[in-house]
Amino acid sequence: LAKTTQPISMDSYEGQEVNITCSHNNIATNDYITWYQQFPSQGPRFIIQGYKTKVTNEVASLFIPADRKSSTLSLPRVSLSDTAVYYCLVGDNGRYSTLTFGKGTMLLVSP
Amino acid sequence: EAQVTQNPRYLITVTGKKLTVTCSQNMNHEYMSWYRQDPGLGLRQIYYSMNVEVTDKGDVPEGYKVSRKEKRNFPLILESPSPNQTSLYFCASSPGPSYEQYFGPGTRLTVT
Repeated sequence: LAKTTQPISMDSYEGQEVNITCSHNNIATNDYITWYQQFPSQGPRFIIQGYKTKVTNEVASLFIPADRKSSTLSLPRVSLSDTAVYYCLVGDNGRYSTLTFGKGTMLLVSP
Repeated sequence: EAQVTQNPRYLITVTGKKLTVTCSQNMNHEYMSWYRQDPGLGLRQIYYSMNVEVTDKGDVPEGYKVSRKEKRNFPLILESPSPNQTSLYFCASSPGPSYEQYFGPGTRLTVT
């Protein structure tokens, strides 16, 4: 299972774009990159998943460079309600295995 | 409404008193799992199940048991709880071997 490294915390202001980068130097060929959001005392919520290049949905974008050794979650125009912990996971999406959540990135959005 | 439910949401118990936390999903998902979350340690997987009667250990299985007799249910059993099992527990499910999982609301357990 590829190990991931994320910043422990980030600060932003309402209306700004936030980019959270995750490093995963030993990502394997079959591994996908998945991001979750978690509010205090709630279960994590799936945000986005990708394999290469760029993926976009109604919530976020995920940018993955050609070497796939890192990825960036982009949250456009954040609001106070985006204050949460964001987790990056890397693993084989096609087989059962243990899922390992790191410590995540605590994003604090201020007015 | 598609969801994962857990019961109870809050539980205070004493050391050694057996307890069960139930988890149920209504999405006909094959995969279910249990996590615990502790300050500073993040989310750690306890057990997971690929389908009925098929389970496997996660990262921290010691002191826990699970069973998967029906597809929708995946109870977590603590035969003899200890204070170090005080934690916030989450159940999750997914349609298959995918990292896109659906989490329940959590169960806060305190063992005194």
